[in-house]
Amino acid sequence: DTGVSQNPRHKITKRGQNVTFRCDPISEHNRLYWYRQTLGQGPEFLTYFQNEAQLEKSRLLSDRFSAERPKGSFSTLEIQRTEQGDSAMYLCASSFVRGDSSTNEKLFFGSGTQLSVL
Amino acid sequence: EDKVVQSPLSLVVHEGDTVTLNCSYEVTNFRSLLWYKQEKKAPTFLFMLTSSGIEKKSGRLSSILDKKELFSILNITATQTGDSAVYLCAVEGEETSGSRLTFGEGTQLTVNP
Repeated sequence: DTGVSQNPRHKITKRGQNVTFRCDPISEHNRLYWYRQTLGQGPEFLTYFQNEAQLEKSRLLSDRFSAERPKGSFSTLEIQRTEQGDSAMYLCASSFVRGDSSTNEKLFFGSGTQLSVL
Repeated sequence: EDKVVQSPLSLVVHEGDTVTLNCSYEVTNFRSLLWYKQEKKAPTFLFMLTSSGIEKKSGRLSSILDKKELFSILNITATQTGDSAVYLCAVEGEETSGSRLTFGEGTQLTVNP
């Protein structure tokens, strides 16, 4: 069963360093989402892709954050000049939607990357 | 802006008890409401509800949606320690660029033996 795969599982970094996370979605899924979750909160939407196109970015996503999905398959999320406030669980999710928007979103989540910025 | 409010935020019960978790929402162009269970890492899908008044059921879990009152409940009967988790409610709203999910804070359920 190849679900959504994320790596690394954990990342500890010093403030000011750059970090990059990878997400491999379920292979036939055309949509890929990034969410951020802090302790005691629900996941907060960051951005999503349909195939290789980045269709929406949250206001939460500062200029230090960039996401790519170059070939419409895996995605990377990079955080530049990390700050302590970036410490969180970064969740990736994928789904399949038809082009006519007749399908509802049913996201399948990966296990996340836990980022700790010291 | 879409909004989801869950209550209670935490709940402690004994095995065998029945619990009801609440989710109220405000969303532009509602498409669906989803429930997820999050034990350690990845939220896992439980239910998707799109129509009012139709109960979705899976074993001891059931959920129903009231689109008029903008409300959903998740029921768990005969709770077991394995039901201990955070239960997340999310709504799917139609945006100009496509739909996406907005999550509530979650309800932390603890089932003691």
